[in-house]
Amino acid sequence: DAGVIQSPRHEVTEMGQEVTLRCKPISGHNSLFWYRQTMMRGLELLIYFNNNVPIDDSGMPEDRFSAKMPNASFSTLKIQPSEPRDSAVYFCASRPVGSYEQYFGPGTRLTVT
Amino acid sequence: AQSVTQLDSQVPVFEEAPVELRCNYSSSVSVYLFWYVQYPNQGLQLLLKYLSGSTLVKGINGFEAEFNKSQTSFHLRKPSVHISDTAEYFCAVSESNNNNDMRFGAGTRLTVKP
Repeated sequence: DAGVIQSPRHEVTEMGQEVTLRCKPISGHNSLFWYRQTMMRGLELLIYFNNNVPIDDSGMPEDRFSAKMPNASFSTLKIQPSEPRDSAVYFCASRPVGSYEQYFGPGTRLTVT
Repeated sequence: AQSVTQLDSQVPVFEEAPVELRCNYSSSVSVYLFWYVQYPNQGLQLLLKYLSGSTLVKGINGFEAEFNKSQTSFHLRKPSVHISDTAEYFCAVSESNNNNDMRFGAGTRLTVKP
């Protein structure tokens, strides 16, 4: 299996621009998680989906952040408008039914200037 | 809610020396515990996990960890480290009644020197 796929791997954008991060979970996994990693705050859970349905988005920092999962093989995390403090590495992880292990993608390094 | 404390932000050791990375957790219910490793510019990879049963858990790359309920600890150990073990290590905890909410520690940077 190819593992969790994230794109792009690096994104540099200017403040105020819209940013869309993409994730393809491992086939057959029914849970998907979005995390943000920064030096200051470590690894934080933003939102997670079960069977394509958002279950808990309490970690989403502001209304500028939104996430969707239109089908079992694709999810997006959108930031609009982006701000310099959004600069971080964003990870997507998926998990199969009945398992406690999350499988992480390689991450997207976002820089907002 | 549960929380995790990794007591050491950085641990430098020489090659072939033993190492212990410390992790303490807090929770009012039973927990599941994990150690993940992150190599530079990569995602997190599971090293080992404790769900139930034997308190000594063996993982990949020669690592092991021991669950100590009375001490609320889950320290990671390796008897002899290699240069290739240089990475960031994260301890994580989820509560048995909600395994969707996994909390991570701040991480410990292990640097193995020749």
